[in-house]
Amino acid sequence: AQSVTQLDSQVPVFEEAPVELRCNYSSSVSVYLFWYVQYPNQGLQLLLKYLSGSTLVESINGFEAEFNKSQTSFHLRKPSVHISDTAEYFCAVMAGGTSYGKLTFGQGTILTVHP
Amino acid sequence: ETGVTQTPRHLVMGMTNKKSLKCEQHLGHNAMYWYKQSAKKPLELMFVYNFKEQTENNSVPSRFSPECPNSSHLFLHLHTLQPEDSALYLCASSDRGSSTDTQYFGPGTRLTVL
Repeated sequence: AQSVTQLDSQVPVFEEAPVELRCNYSSSVSVYLFWYVQYPNQGLQLLLKYLSGSTLVESINGFEAEFNKSQTSFHLRKPSVHISDTAEYFCAVMAGGTSYGKLTFGQGTILTVHP
Repeated sequence: ETGVTQTPRHLVMGMTNKKSLKCEQHLGHNAMYWYKQSAKKPLELMFVYNFKEQTENNSVPSRFSPECPNSSHLFLHLHTLQPEDSALYLCASSDRGSSTDTQYFGPGTRLTVL
């Protein structure tokens, strides 16, 4: 079985500062990795995903995440945040094999961007 | 409509009521999912339907009854719920078997059980 740990439940930062949201996973098989974002009173929106190929993946709004197999991590970063990035961010893993198709989520990290 | 839609967006019900949640996907996907999101807990997968067949029931109590009449629609029938069932219920869909099997979520139904 796979599991996901998001190391920070809340991350407060000031506008235009860099941010890193940490995610570690465990799985005995190959994995696909995802970051979702949830704005207040809304559902989850896919931010970015790693399926194969380049270990660095980017979103259209400036976020990036790097798949590190040796450290079993998939941390999310942004060099300069905006007020509008305030939301809850979820890391998720989908394992291959018999668990294919089942997403396991972390507990979420609330990012609050202050002016 | 585009993406995944859910109705109603908010629902308040008593423990003796019967209600249903509806989900519709407009993405041409073949798999649909129900998740429960409670405060301070990770998202919990409840049910999975693949080509209208239920392939996963994650030990969900029988007071939750899913129905998938076709690959575009998914329902969650609710009866004799408990206050601890109050949560955000999220529906998702994906294209199972594709090289990019990614789940897309609806906005959710906020359920309050009195």
